Amino acid sequence: DVKVTQSSRYLVKRTGEKVFLECVQDMDHENMFWYRQDPGLGLRLIYFSYDVKMKEKGDIPEGYSVSREKKERFSLILESASTNQTSMYLCASSFWRGGLSQYFGAGTRLSVL
Amino acid sequence: EDKVVQSPLSLVVHEGDTVTLNCSYEVTNFRSLLWYKQEKKAPTFLFMLTSSGIEKKSGRLSSILDKKELFSILNITATQTGDSAVYLCAVQETSGSRLTFGEGTQLTVNP
Repeated sequence: DVKVTQSSRYLVKRTGEKVFLECVQDMDHENMFWYRQDPGLGLRLIYFSYDVKMKEKGDIPEGYSVSREKKERFSLILESASTNQTSMYLCASSFWRGGLSQYFGAGTRLSVL
Repeated sequence: EDKVVQSPLSLVVHEGDTVTLNCSYEVTNFRSLLWYKQEKKAPTFLFMLTSSGIEKKSGRLSSILDKKELFSILNITATQTGDSAVYLCAVQETSGSRLTFGEGTQLTVNP
């Protein structure tokens, strides 16, 4: 079974803190994705990566950056957390070939106070 | 810009009812449409649809795609309380692997 593991299920941070959300997959997938999920807005793509050290902006990249130093790990970074970044963050992975399903982690619920 | 619209946004039914969830989309170069079920954790994959008119079925769940009218439906027959979840619809373009999601339909099945 594919396993996508997010490092924290719940996280509480203060405004202005630097926040790291980690995601690891064990299926040797080339693609990895970060989404945020908010009520009434569905899942929105923040960033994705097709390969190590490669990254592409999604629909809402502002206020976020990412790092992919190893194939299995994709990190989402909030350089200076703000209250409007309080959300559920979901990581996903898939093989590089299009037309295949993405597999999701359990999510990290981040609260920024 | 790709767009996916799901309806209804929420639905409350009784056990044993049959429900139909709708997903309409606008995408430049369509490759596939996917359905996911999300309980209080990771979305789990249900179906991937690429061809019109071919029903995909898994137990009490089934789904079909209409590429001419640009929509898909997800049917659940004889609903159970365990079907309570958010159902997500997403589309994928031919140009890559990224998905565009709809807002989701929150289904609640009461005993």
